[in-house]
Amino acid sequence: QQPVQSPQAVILREGEDAVINCSSSKALYSVHWYRQKHGEAPVFLMILLKGGEQKGHEKISASFNEKKQQSSLYLTASQLSYSGTYFCGTPRPGGYNKLIFGAGTRLAVHP
Amino acid sequence: ETGVTQTPRHLVMGMTNKKSLKCEQHLGHNAMYWYKQSAKKPLELMFVYSLEERVENNSVPSRFSPECPNSSHLFLHLHTLQPEDSALYLCASSQGGGGGYEQYFGPGTRLTVT
Repeated sequence: QQPVQSPQAVILREGEDAVINCSSSKALYSVHWYRQKHGEAPVFLMILLKGGEQKGHEKISASFNEKKQQSSLYLTASQLSYSGTYFCGTPRPGGYNKLIFGAGTRLAVHP
Repeated sequence: ETGVTQTPRHLVMGMTNKKSLKCEQHLGHNAMYWYKQSAKKPLELMFVYSLEERVENNSVPSRFSPECPNSSHLFLHLHTLQPEDSALYLCASSQGGGGGYEQYFGPGTRLTVT
């Protein structure tokens, strides 16, 4: 049930773009995206809901393909502050926002 | 600063000790969560409380005992832990229990079991 993230790691130069993918073998009703910097707590980035609704950062863009059961996070014109580990989370059945997280994608942005 | 605080930030305990982790949220949220984050493993959901009622115990061993006395406070009581329980324990809260609510995480407690 754990969503699968790809790639596992990305190295960028400042200004470059990256796409992080999250896919599930189960039907997705929503996908959450969080970023965690080393030694810090995960920070909410975005929620994508079935039907097209989105909540989150204005500067982050993402897509949610319900039929393909996958979501992608688009990081454009990357900045040094984008470095960290990105996690996607999908709710388990039964409500109560019980998220199952993927293994994470480590992103390093260098000058 | 996310509005969720955790104490202590670091804890070293022996396998026979009893200790408690504390989480407090200042956001007026109704749901609170405990997660475990081990090295090279994804975030694992341990417990979920909604309106102070436990609604999830994700097959967590009984040596971990959660307590939610009110909607702002969450505790994790620890006893007779094993070295493999060493990890970062994260608390989170959300406004509601549905999948459309973002979770706000505290800074975590880094636990080392010796």
